[in-house]
Amino acid sequence: QSVLTQPPSVSAAPGQKVAISCSGSSSNIENNYISWYQRLPGAAPKLLIYDTNKRPSGIPDRFSGSKSGTSATLGITGLQTGDEADYFCGVWDSSLSAVVFGGGTKLTVL
Amino acid sequence: QDQLVQSGAEVKKPGASVKVSCKAFGSTFTSYAIHWMRQAPGQWLEWMGWINAGNGNTRSSQKFQGRITISRDASASIAYVDLSSLRSEDTAVYYCARGSYDSRGYPYFDYWGQGTLVTVSS
Repeated sequence: QSVLTQPPSVSAAPGQKVAISCSGSSSNIENNYISWYQRLPGAAPKLLIYDTNKRPSGIPDRFSGSKSGTSATLGITGLQTGDEADYFCGVWDSSLSAVVFGGGTKLTVL
Repeated sequence: QDQLVQSGAEVKKPGASVKVSCKAFGSTFTSYAIHWMRQAPGQWLEWMGWINAGNGNTRSSQKFQGRITISRDASASIAYVDLSSLRSEDTAVYYCARGSYDSRGYPYFDYWGQGTLVTVSS
């Protein structure tokens, strides 16, 4: 199983908000910066968040990132049907000396 | 616009090798690192290694050492990953991604290729 744990799926109605968690350990999330990615069906992954809470140019402020201890969270507000995708977290693991990823969370906008 | 375009799907027999390419468009190729990841069916993304497109230095995950070769053709803005001694467990979608560095100097990935399906089957 993955070093980072994400819920397999989350769902919410259009216009609502959702939080996707990413749980790790002191060798990764607690002491390093997290990135978040969106993978729409059939598309290349897209960077949403880096440095735990920074958005690249062009990413709307509906997307936010935060961290507390060994867990990180991706928040999405004002959900749209176009947000239906897989979301996964990534972080450097200092013990493994490698980037590790979460298993991904499938978001359904009902 | 920055973009990474990967080569097409491959089907290989166990024991063979596969070479996947990743062509960069847009920003100066040699200013960045290109990383390779893969995702097997039902599994999580797995980081494989990277290449400094400027000087050609590489680093790979211990899991793949001895089987992986990462290279680049700087004149053509193409990076490659070559995986040898293929087995069924290597069946996966392989991704390249451009690496940027966070405030601690660790990589994250700001542009990704579309993925290349490699199937290993007898």
